[in-house]
Formats: sequence, C-alpha cells, structure tokens
Amino acid sequence: DAEITQSPRHKITETGRQVTLACHQTWNHNNMFWYRQDLGHGLRLIHYSYGVHDTNKGEVSDGYSVSRSNTEDLPLTLESAASSQTSVYFCASSEGRYGTATETQYFGPGTRLLVL
Amino acid sequence: SQKIEQNSEALNIQEGKTATLTCNYTNYSPAYLQWYRQDPGRGPVFLLLIRENEKEKRKERLKVTFDTTLKQSLFHITASQPADSATYLCALHAGGTSYGKLTFGQGTILTVHP
Repeated sequence: DAEITQSPRHKITETGRQVTLACHQTWNHNNMFWYRQDLGHGLRLIHYSYGVHDTNKGEVSDGYSVSRSNTEDLPLTLESAASSQTSVYFCASSEGRYGTATETQYFGPGTRLLVL
Repeated sequence: SQKIEQNSEALNIQEGKTATLTCNYTNYSPAYLQWYRQDPGRGPVFLLLIRENEKEKRKERLKVTFDTTLKQSLFHITASQPADSATYLCALHAGGTSYGKLTFGQGTILTVHP
C-alpha cells in the first residue's frame, strides 16, 4: 500500500545545530507540504512543493529550507535550530489535480522535535 | 487578514448524541472546505470535502454543511461513539493561485463519554 513516512519520529537537538527531517511518500504525488503544529496555533504551513525542483515558502518559512530532487522525497532542514522551533512537524502530500477530491492531503505520522 | 476559527476548543457529549462542530472563516472565498480527524500522536486523516457550490455532504454518520453567506461550515457526527473521540480540524482551500494549499483551523477536541 502507498504511504507517507517521516523520520526520525523523535529528535532532540541543541540550539544552533543543523537538523534535517525526512519525508518520503510512495503515492507518486506531485504536491508535498511541511507543517508545524503547536498548541494554540494549529497546523501552519512551512514550505511546499508542486513537483521536482519546485519549492515555495509558506507562512512560517523563516529558518527552514527544503529541496525536491525527486518525486518521493521532500526533506526539511532547520539551518540553525532555535528553541522556538520545538514543535511537531508533519509532512503531507496530495495528487494535486485542481478542483477535484484529489486535493485531499495525506499526512505522515509526524516528527516530534525538541530543541534545547 | 484571513482567519479561520473553530468555535470550541473542546466539546464533551454523551454517547448516542449528535456532535456539532463549527468552523467560521473571514476574509476568505474558499473554493472548498475539508474536515480532518486527528488522533493523539498521529497525523490528520481526511474525512470529507465540500465545494463552494454544495450545501451539504454526507458520509455514513458524518454530515458537513457549507454556508458561504454565513462563512461557516458545520460538521455533524450522529449517534456518536467513544471511538469518535479525537481532534477535528477544518481546512480551507482559497482557490486560484493557492493551488493545492490548505489553511487549517486550530481544531476542536471532541470527547464522547460512554
């Protein structure tokens, strides 16, 4: 069965370190998204991609970067981790045919990141 | 600025009753709206999608309404069960150049008591 996986599931790091969170989907979806989820804020979009070599900034992109070298993967990098980036991170994908039910997003299980 | 509000942070109901969750939005003209369920420690899971030209959508015990005049969606779970306990998220798609992007509400935590 197709799925979307994230690794690691839990990560503790120190302030200033570079951290990369992996996201891998086997749906063959064009669109991929990264969100962070915090109490009181819900899910907020960090970066997204509509296809290979395409990346776009979301509403909370400062301090994060992504790259899309193939259809299956969209790794999220925290360039210099800050305590404010302690959060739960979710990756999602969608088939992306505008105006149809395939705009539904399929989410990974999440990565819980603690920055000390 | 654009805003999505799910009116209750938490909703407690008795088993067998109908749960009604509310999603209000301002400064949006959404092409469609979705509802997701999220269990603790897991990612959201899609439940229902309703388009701007649809008034109501049903799926088993679930019903969603969409009133673009009131800028509101209601999500109903009939004959609720303890297994329905979860956080429910509404999400809007703004359409146009926002292709594929969703904006999420903060969620409502539903607890169904036996």
